Amino acid sequence: EIVMTQSLDTLSVSPGERATLSCRASQSVSYNLGWYQQKPGQAPRLLIFGASTRATGVPARFSGSGSGTEFTLTISSLQSEDFAVYYCQQYSNWPYSFGQGTKLEI
Amino acid sequence: QVQLQESGPGLVKPSETLSLTCTVPGGSISSYYWSWIRQPPGKGLEWIGDIYYSGSRKFNPSLKSRVTISVDMSKNQLSLDLRSVTAADSAVYYCAGEIGRGFDIWGHGTMVTVSS
Repeated sequence: EIVMTQSLDTLSVSPGERATLSCRASQSVSYNLGWYQQKPGQAPRLLIFGASTRATGVPARFSGSGSGTEFTLTISSLQSEDFAVYYCQQYSNWPYSFGQGTKLEI
Repeated sequence: QVQLQESGPGLVKPSETLSLTCTVPGGSISSYYWSWIRQPPGKGLEWIGDIYYSGSRKFNPSLKSRVTISVDMSKNQLSLDLRSVTAADSAVYYCAGEIGRGFDIWGHGTMVTVSS
């Protein structure tokens, strides 16, 4: 089973700043990595798949990078609507697994 | 945009079976791999298992002995049965679809509480 670890449980940033979130896999998942945004009371929303491809409708300020075991989600200039919890997820091997989440807060 | 809708009882007694369904509109049930994912209150996401319309299934080993996932093509529904539940199974349960590039469609989720 692949364990996904997000390095920060909480990241405090200000609107307009850049945010960098990290995710590490316990073994290589190649590029089979997604990032999700979840707001209170809502289902997660896919932001990034294939480690770096933005999903439909996702603003360009969101970007993903990495491969193998190390991944990064960058939000270039935080907007108020970006404050949420972010999860990484590997879909390289079953069982699929998620990181524990990073809460982006002001 | 495909809309998914989970349904089922919001309260289940300990040791009983939690049963949920997810309706997939528009005949798209054969287009995706369908998963059940859960999220205990205030916690992270846990993948339970998935199914393809052909019947191929995968499960999380931590739950495999208690889980059944099925698909009914005629009703455009997938189902989840989780047996012998305890309070630790209380969570929001989501159905979600993917085609090898992450879960790009989700239901709204349904909260299930296990309590006597």
